[in-house]
Amino acid sequence: GENVEQHPSTLSVQEGDSAVIKCTYSDSASNYFPWYKQELGKGPQLIIDIRSNVGEKKDQRIAVTLNKTAKHFSLHITETQPEDSAVYFCAAKGIYNFNKFYFGSGTKLNVKP
Amino acid sequence: NAGVTQTPKFQVLKTGQSMTLQCAQDMNHNSMYWYRQDPGMGLRLIYYSASEGTTDKGEVPNGYNVSRLNKREFSLRLESAAPSQTSVYFCASSEDLQGRGEQYFGPGTRLTVT
Repeated sequence: GENVEQHPSTLSVQEGDSAVIKCTYSDSASNYFPWYKQELGKGPQLIIDIRSNVGEKKDQRIAVTLNKTAKHFSLHITETQPEDSAVYFCAAKGIYNFNKFYFGSGTKLNVKP
Repeated sequence: NAGVTQTPKFQVLKTGQSMTLQCAQDMNHNSMYWYRQDPGMGLRLIYYSASEGTTDKGEVPNGYNVSRLNKREFSLRLESAAPSQTSVYFCASSEDLQGRGEQYFGPGTRLTVT
């Protein structure tokens, strides 16, 4: 099955700086890559996603890039704010496993005011 | 809309006890999922239901059973709890039968097995 690796496990940045979280996947058939934000005591919430037919997608301060050849994708958060502090998860899903999402191990982001 | 709801929020079991975790969604979604979340391991799929009347195993199904009671409800049962099942359990749903759509997660159930 698919294997998704996520780095770093923890990331501390100063408010206003950028944060980058990286994920790699093993199954070249994977074609959908969502990113989730999980605040303390809550369930994960989708913040952005990308499909394999595009290389980059932006939504205000967050963006995701995808390199299909290298099988990696990244989350970029610019102008970080304290409320961005949370655990972020990447995930991958393939066309042959319609309902199976494979998650990375998570990155705990701490934005220092 | 309440979205995805889960009960209970917290539960402590003794080894060998059984219990059922309840999940309901009010978004008329076709697909529902059960995940467990352990420190440093992300979310792992236990079981999923692509549509009402169907269920399939995920990555870690051993020790669990599920029931898709109707389109709204998807329950997870532990027949004989073990300490290795101590975890946070999340239910999720998505609209698309092929699972291509956004997954919406519930608030989670924190289970401790002693």
